[in-house]
Amino acid sequence: AQRVTQPEKLLSVFKGAPVELKCNYSYSGSPELFWYVQYSRQRLQLLLRHISRESIKGFTADLNKGETSFHLKKPFAQEEDSAMYYCALIHSGAGSYQLTFGKGTKLSVIP
Amino acid sequence: KAGVTQTPRYLIKTRGQQVTLSCSPISGHRSVSWYQQTPGQGLQFLFEYFSETQRNKGNFPGRFSGRQFSNSRSEMNVSTLELGDSALYLCASSLEGQMSSGNTIYFGEGSWLTVV
Repeated sequence: AQRVTQPEKLLSVFKGAPVELKCNYSYSGSPELFWYVQYSRQRLQLLLRHISRESIKGFTADLNKGETSFHLKKPFAQEEDSAMYYCALIHSGAGSYQLTFGKGTKLSVIP
Repeated sequence: KAGVTQTPRYLIKTRGQQVTLSCSPISGHRSVSWYQQTPGQGLQFLFEYFSETQRNKGNFPGRFSGRQFSNSRSEMNVSTLELGDSALYLCASSLEGQMSSGNTIYFGEGSWLTVV
C-alpha cells in the first residue's frame, strides 16, 4: 500500500535561513508526488508537483527514487512561508485516483 | 472562475444524528473527491466520483456515503454521527478523471463538523 511520511510535525527556522521539509514515500508503481500548502485560515492549495519541475515561491523539490524521497527546499525562508505543508502521492488505479497525504509539517519562520 | 465551494462551512450536530455536506466543483470539472481532515489522522481519502459514479472509496465505514449529480455537484452524508466524526471535510475537484500531468486537484475551504 502507498504511504507518505513526513517525519517532522513542526519545523522552526529563522528568517533568511534555508528550509528543508522532509518527505519519504512508499509506492509500488511510478510515483507522482505533490506538495500542498495550507496557510492560516486558507484552503489547501497546490504548491508544486514533481512532474512540472518548477519552482514556486522559491520552493523546489526533487524526486529521488533511490531514496524514495521528495524533500521540499527553499534557500532563504520568509515569514510568509509559515504554514502547514503536506506531501502527497497520487495513487491511480481502476479508472480512479486518490491522494495519499503525509501528516503534515508546520513550518514556523521566526522573524 | 469560482473555486470549489462547500456548504455549510460550520455545523454542530449531536451524536446519532445525520449530516449532509454539499460541494460545488469548479465549472467544467467532472471529478469530485472527499477527504476527512483531523488532527490525529491527518487527511484521509473518503471517496471519488466521476460522472455520477463512485469509482473509489477509502477505508471508512458504511455510515459515510456520497453521491454526485448530473451537474457534477456532490454531497456526502454521514449517518449515526459519532464524536470521532468531528473533523474538517474537504471536497476537491479536477477536470479529468485520470491523473494526467496537466491535471490539478483543487480543494474547497471545507466544512467544519463538530459532533457533541
